[in-house]
This record gives sequence, structure tokens and C-alpha cells, in this order.
Amino acid sequence: KAGVTQTPRYLIKTRGQQVTLSCSPISGHRSVSWYQQTPGQGLQFLFEYFSETQRNKGNFPGRFSGRQFSNSRSEMNVSTLELGDSALYLCASSFQGHTGELFFGEGSRLTVL
Amino acid sequence: QQQVKQSPQSLIVQKGGISIINCAYENTAFDYFPWYQQFPGKGPALLIAIRPDVSEKKEGRFTISFNKSAKQFSLHIMDSQPGDSATYFCAAYITGTASKLTFGTGTRLQVTL
Repeated sequence: KAGVTQTPRYLIKTRGQQVTLSCSPISGHRSVSWYQQTPGQGLQFLFEYFSETQRNKGNFPGRFSGRQFSNSRSEMNVSTLELGDSALYLCASSFQGHTGELFFGEGSRLTVL
Repeated sequence: QQQVKQSPQSLIVQKGGISIINCAYENTAFDYFPWYQQFPGKGPALLIAIRPDVSEKKEGRFTISFNKSAKQFSLHIMDSQPGDSATYFCAAYITGTASKLTFGTGTRLQVTL
């Protein structure tokens, strides 16, 4: 069974731009969550989607948004990029999302210049 | 507010030794405590997890010890091997809260020959 796939793996943007990251969950998994990983703040929860609905959201500004499609694939978007948005963005999937057992992708490393 | 505190930040252990990583939590509503292992360039992977109704769980060389009254839990890696060199994250979760894990800050473990 294929794992969680994230694209792109690496990207460089400049301040003020926007970025869209994509995540394909493990086949059969309906819950997709997103985490931001930085050296200073560690792993922080962004949001979680299940059946195309956002079920939970972390403490991030409205510049961070996401969506989920009917095939469970998910995208997250960051608008008006700031230097502090440089991070590894991790997508995780689970069957239904209520167990705490997550399967992570390898992440998309975003650098904002 | 850091709800899960993890120590030490880094750890060097000789091959064959015991690696011990400690975590403490504040919110008594947490009811699932997983440990994730992350290798460079990879996403975190679930290693072992415990619920507060047991005091210890062992899987191979990995053991979680849990002290509910002290709100502390720890990971013990017996007979540590160079292949165990990775960053370890403890986490805490409230069942039903839609994949929102609260992670510790991580421990970088290096196992030397």
C-alpha cells in the first residue's frame, strides 16, 4: 500500500507570494491533517479534514487555509507569505481521524526569501 | 503554552546502552500518548503508544513507562543501536479531537559505536 504522498517536496518563494501544497493520503484513509514543523516551534497542528469538511483547526492565522476533495486528497494554501512561514509542512492521514495514530508523508519544505 | 514538555533536547548513547527520553503533560484530558520517530528527510513515524490505564507497554526494545499521578511518561530504548539515531517526539492526544496531536519539542538521539 502506497504511503502518504506530498508534492512538491521542496519549494522556494518570496515574501508576499502564495503557495499551494498537495497531499494524497493512504488509500482508504479519509482523514487528512496538516502540521507545520520548525526548529523553534516543533510540530504544530494546522487543521484536519474529513469527508471534505474541516473538523479541527490549530492556532494559525487565516492566511493558512486548506481543503479536501471527494477523493480525500487535500491541499493547503498559504497566502501573503512571510519569512516565518519557512518550515516543513507535513501531511498525515488516518482512516477516520479519531485515534491519534497518524501516518505522515515526507513533507514539503518551504523556504521564504 | 507548551502542553507537553520533553527532555532532554539531545542525547548521546553508546551502542548497547539504554536511551531514556522523558515527557510531562499538563492537560489531564489527554488519553493517548504516542511516540514518533523521525529520520532526516522523512516524516515522523509512529513507534509505540500507550493509554493511561496501563503503566508500561513494551514492544521489542522499546518500552513506554507511564505515571498517571505525576503526569509523566518516558520512552526507554534498550540495547540502543546506531540505526536508532533519529529524533524522537512524544505526543499527547484527546480521543475524538480529529487528529490534533500535541507534540513535545523532540529529542535528537545519537547512538555511537
